[in-house]
Amino acid sequence: KNEVEQSPQNLTAQEGEFITINCSYSVGISALHWLQQHPGGGIVSLFMLSSGKKKHGRLIATINIQEKHSSLHITASHPRDSAVYICAVSTSGTYKYIFGTGTRLKVLA
Amino acid sequence: DTGVSQNPRHKITKRGQNVTFRCDPISEHNRLYWYRQTLGQGPEFLTYFQNEAQLEKSRLLSDRFSAERPKGSFSTLEIQRTEQGDSAMYLCASSLVQGAGEAFFGQGTRLTVV
Repeated sequence: KNEVEQSPQNLTAQEGEFITINCSYSVGISALHWLQQHPGGGIVSLFMLSSGKKKHGRLIATINIQEKHSSLHITASHPRDSAVYICAVSTSGTYKYIFGTGTRLKVLA
Repeated sequence: DTGVSQNPRHKITKRGQNVTFRCDPISEHNRLYWYRQTLGQGPEFLTYFQNEAQLEKSRLLSDRFSAERPKGSFSTLEIQRTEQGDSAMYLCASSLVQGAGEAFFGQGTRLTVV
């Protein structure tokens, strides 16, 4: 079993839909990260969470430390949101990231 | 541009050849990480430097792989006697020791071994 599990692996949505991507983890963490990866490879950090909830534009990220679970929500989805969304956790010490396998999101116009 | 820079962006090499990748982290960042990402998977940790010291290496980093960060600034990742299984995206990230360790990623080097 992977230390970081994401679901779904693939998601197709119509423009305007509300999207939720889930992440669960099984290790102790210093923080949880939501990342976006476009074709070509570059990874961009969306959120870093250690508790509660954060919002940036149409993106909302929540974390439940007791349940070891996080969600990324996209409101009013748009085709430009199409990308791979990756959940990762960092552990104290080296702060290296342990990644989930990613969720490939396609938003159709 | 003050982001993490990786060169080259793409590399095609024949099996058995040696390749070297370079990563220039954000200038004040003392932590540097290398990750490898194969198609359809999330990145996997390879190795970690704090300043010039290599403090952790993954079991994924076989004897054919070596990484250096000679002056605590840029880093190189060399793969000797490349194999087709080495084909992947190699990602570099950097962060500060202080704080919660949010990492910033480069664009990656995509290696294809033919």
